[in-house]
Amino acid sequence: GEQVEQLPSSLIVQEGASVLINCSYTDSASVYFPWYKQEPGKRLQFIIDIRSNMERKQTQRLTLLFDKKTKHLSLHITATQPGDSAIYFCSATSNMGYKLTFGTGTSLLVDP
Amino acid sequence: DPKIIQKPKYLVAVTGSEKILICEQYLGHNAMYWYRQSAKKPLEFMFSYSYQKLMDNQTASSRFQPQSSKKNHLDLQITALKPDDSATYFCASSQDGAEQFFGPGTRLTVL
Repeated sequence: GEQVEQLPSSLIVQEGASVLINCSYTDSASVYFPWYKQEPGKRLQFIIDIRSNMERKQTQRLTLLFDKKTKHLSLHITATQPGDSAIYFCSATSNMGYKLTFGTGTSLLVDP
Repeated sequence: DPKIIQKPKYLVAVTGSEKILICEQYLGHNAMYWYRQSAKKPLEFMFSYSYQKLMDNQTASSRFQPQSSKKNHLDLQITALKPDDSATYFCASSQDGAEQFFGPGTRLTVL
């Protein structure tokens, strides 16, 4: 089955810095890649997604890049704020049964 | 987001007992899911339902049984509870294969 890996597992940055979170997947049948953010004790919150027919998607301070050939995604967050502190999860689905396979998460801490 | 409700928020159970985790969504979605998050494993898909019919089941154990009494409900019955079942169980919903919205979770502790 699909396997999703994320790196790094944790990041600590100063407020205002940019961060890059990398994600790789194994199943070439995966076509949809939503990303989620989870603050401590809270629900997963959808932040951005991309489909396999796209290479790039941007929303406010988030840019998501997708490389189908290498099965790799990267999430770029600019001008980080303390409110960005959370665990970020990459996920992938082939849409068969709509099952999302999640990565192990990247814990981001933004120091004010 | 109160549009996906999970009850209870916290649950403590003894080994061997049975519990039901409740999930209701008021987003008008046709698909609902259960995921599990524990300290030992990343977020793990369990079940997906569409129009109250099972689409996918990745849970090896029959001790976990989803129950859909209404279109916007997907409860999770867990029998013969074990300490390893301790985890936070998240319900989610979506319209077909679009983005999934998650509930606040039920944190289950099995003693």
